Amino acid sequence: EAGVAQSPRYKIIEKRQSVAFWCNPISGHATLYWYQQILGQGPKLLIQFQNNGVVDDSQLPKDRFSAERLKGVDSTLKIQPAKLEDSAVYLCASSTDSEQYFGPGTRLTVT
Amino acid sequence: DAKTTQPNSMESNEEEPVHLPCNHSTISGTDYIHWYRQLPSQGPEYVIHGLTSNVNNRMASLAIAEDRKSSTLILHRATLRDAAVYYCILKRWGAGNMLTFGGGTRLMVKP
Repeated sequence: EAGVAQSPRYKIIEKRQSVAFWCNPISGHATLYWYQQILGQGPKLLIQFQNNGVVDDSQLPKDRFSAERLKGVDSTLKIQPAKLEDSAVYLCASSTDSEQYFGPGTRLTVT
Repeated sequence: DAKTTQPNSMESNEEEPVHLPCNHSTISGTDYIHWYRQLPSQGPEYVIHGLTSNVNNRMASLAIAEDRKSSTLILHRATLRDAAVYYCILKRWGAGNMLTFGGGTRLMVKP
């Protein structure tokens, strides 16, 4: 069974630039999550989708972050404009009704 | 949300058992105890979960105190590949499958 795919794996941008991350969940998984993991901390949930609808985006900084999940499959997370404090690993996960399966993450460095 | 408390780090010798503790004194009756681990440069992966009874799987065992205010993840024979950050997470049944990560325990395994 293929796992959760994410791209790119690494990205370096300057502050005030824009960036987008892509996630392809495990086939058949209705729920998709985006997490932000700052170095030395546990992952923090940014947004949760059920099919193509948003279940929880209470911790998403909506002034600069946006996410969509078209057709209930792939998802993109965008940051516009980026700040230095957005430097982190962005993890995508998917699940059926129990455990979550995580992708390898995208490491973002904002300079 | 009920919180968990874990030691920041632990050390173990290779091929010896490891007991990773977690305190969750404010756990509610519908909170499941989940454990995930995160190997270096990877996304978290599911390890085990339980509600009241002790649980075993191919990766580990979970021992849950009778009052459910603490639990212990047991790795029966630690290997170098078990070096990771281990997260103890309470997940409320029916709460949308959300995971709230704390800081976890960094397990170091010495050869």
